[in-house]
Amino acid sequence: QSALTQPPSASGSPGQSVTISCTGTSSDVGGYNYVSWYQQHPGKVPRLMIYEVSNRPSGVPDRFSGSKSGNTASLTVSGLQAEDEADYYCSSFTNRKGWVFGGGTKLTVL
Amino acid sequence: QVQLVQSGAEVRNPGASVRVSCKASGYTFTRDYMYWVRQAPGQGLECMGRINPDSGDTNYVQNFQGRVTMTRDTSITTAYMELSRLTYDDTAMYYCARLYSSGADWGQGTLVTVSS
Repeated sequence: QSALTQPPSASGSPGQSVTISCTGTSSDVGGYNYVSWYQQHPGKVPRLMIYEVSNRPSGVPDRFSGSKSGNTASLTVSGLQAEDEADYYCSSFTNRKGWVFGGGTKLTVL
Repeated sequence: QVQLVQSGAEVRNPGASVRVSCKASGYTFTRDYMYWVRQAPGQGLECMGRINPDSGDTNYVQNFQGRVTMTRDTSITTAYMELSRLTYDDTAMYYCARLYSSGADWGQGTLVTVSS
């Protein structure tokens, strides 16, 4: 059982927006502004898409955005493109264990 | 640039142990925790624990307590993860990762296959 809870799947049509949630507790998501999101294509290493809740590393399209409310963080992908089809994982810092992960969400572009 | 280069794929019998190495370069090795994350086939990312390369202190996730040992050699900026008493369920890709608030660096992964 993962430390953070994500929906197992999400989907949208090209051009649409989709939001993936990540629910934790006050000891992780709710307690720190240290939430990251990773994208992983099959057979590839995870790629950082969002850090510190809402910041994008260089090279990540601005179609990807992050937010947080209470113990739940969210990743929104706007203007869906075929290449966005991948698995997405949230991660949060905790005070005792360092970083923990969500179970992952498979995003399908219809 | 930061690089984490892991050792090659391994095949082990059930009950055996495996040690995976992770050679770090491009940053101050002792500055950031090194995490070990595994991913079983078709499954999600699972954090196994972390090591403070400066002090050698470790934090292991409960699921792996008693079976995992994380060490480091600061003279060669290399972290190690050893997993003992392997079962078929330990077949997975194992990653080392430098995870920090404003970024992340990942090794290329080491495939460990447990097979008789």
